[in-house]
Amino acid sequence: NAGVMQNPRHLVRRRGQEARLRCSPMKGHSHVYWYRQLPEEGLKFMVYLQKENIIDESGMPKERFSAEFPKEGPSILRIQQVVRGDSAAYFCASSLNRPGDYYEQYFGPGTRLTVT
Amino acid sequence: DQQVKQNSPSLSVQEGRISILNCDYTNSMFDYFLWYKKYPAEGPTFLISISSIKDKNEDGRFTVFLNKSAKHLSLHIVPSQPGDSAVYFCAASVGGGSYIPTFGRGTSLIVHP
Repeated sequence: NAGVMQNPRHLVRRRGQEARLRCSPMKGHSHVYWYRQLPEEGLKFMVYLQKENIIDESGMPKERFSAEFPKEGPSILRIQQVVRGDSAAYFCASSLNRPGDYYEQYFGPGTRLTVT
Repeated sequence: DQQVKQNSPSLSVQEGRISILNCDYTNSMFDYFLWYKKYPAEGPTFLISISSIKDKNEDGRFTVFLNKSAKHLSLHIVPSQPGDSAVYFCAASVGGGSYIPTFGRGTSLIVHP
């Protein structure tokens, strides 16, 4: 059973370009979460999605960032017009939510974005 | 405002001894707590969890203790092994919804042979 897949693992973009980060959840998981980790920081929640729905985007910057989880295919985190401050590790996690159950999230290996 | 705090950025322990990693939280609504382990260039891996109705949960060499009155939890690893060297993140969440955890900044554990 494959784990959470993220690609690319490393992404270099120049300032002003667009970055697209992809995440395929574990088989059977329909809940996806995106986190960002800045150097020397913990993981900061960005957005929580289910298939075709954004459930909670309270951690997403108001501009330039967007996320989707289409009916078919991976979840995409899109950063437009990247700036140096966007350089970070972006982690995706997925979970199997059963009503009334606590659960754990399973994380992918992350995408390290470097903006030059 | 950090709701989950890991005040020790690093901890060094001898192999075979006990490692104790601490975590404090400020939000009294948190009712589910998790520990994740992270190796360099990898994503965090779930280690152990505890709900607020318990004060202890044990899984092999790993035990998590929860002190709700002090808003404090700790992870004990005994005996520590060199392979335990990693960054450990404490996380906490509020039940009844999507259970999105809030993470601490992590503690880097080094276990010396």
